[in-house]
Amino acid sequence: EAGVAQSPRYKIIEKRQSVAFWCNPISGHATLYWYQQILGQGPKLLIQFQNNGVVDDSQLPKDRFSAERLKGVDSTLKIQPAKLEDSAVYLCASSRLRVVNTGELFFGEGSRLTVL
Amino acid sequence: AQTVTQSQPEMSVQEAETVTLSCTYDTSENNYYLFWYKQPPSRQMILVIRQEAYKQQNATENRFSVNFQKAAKSFSLKISDSQLGDTAMYFCALCLIQGAQKLVFGQGTRLTINP
Repeated sequence: EAGVAQSPRYKIIEKRQSVAFWCNPISGHATLYWYQQILGQGPKLLIQFQNNGVVDDSQLPKDRFSAERLKGVDSTLKIQPAKLEDSAVYLCASSRLRVVNTGELFFGEGSRLTVL
Repeated sequence: AQTVTQSQPEMSVQEAETVTLSCTYDTSENNYYLFWYKQPPSRQMILVIRQEAYKQQNATENRFSVNFQKAAKSFSLKISDSQLGDTAMYFCALCLIQGAQKLVFGQGTRLTINP
């Protein structure tokens, strides 16, 4: 089966500009996650969707970050305006059901953002 | 809140040696899952092994095994007969069974297998 697709792979922007990342999960996967991975750190969950509803967005900086998952399939993560500290790899992951039912998240290759 | 700590930022061993990566965690819950994920230089993270907290028997997957000490909140990963392809970042992660079931990751250990 096809894996989790993400684009773009790399993006360089100036601070205060906006950027959007796209994720297409594995077909049939109900749960979709966006993680932020800053260099040298472990991934941090930004938002979790179950179908097209938000399950957890407690660590999403809502003043500048937004995410949507229309029709419960692909998802877009937007940052506006970007700050220097947003430089990171943004990982999208999906799972068929809830994590403990399947025991596994499937990750995309990530989108690396550099904010200058 | 749940926390996961990996105290070894980097490790390096020779090919065919055995290496153990450490992980400790903190949670007040009793029901949870623990995972080790591998992130090769290409950045696509993959599951290595998982452990259900209610199981006393340590999980094994071929050359990978864990030492799960629930009372000590310790979850180490042992890689036997290490191979060059094991070179990667390794992340320990915790997931509560209740609630949103989000994975909380440690900071990672960069493992290098030398020929």
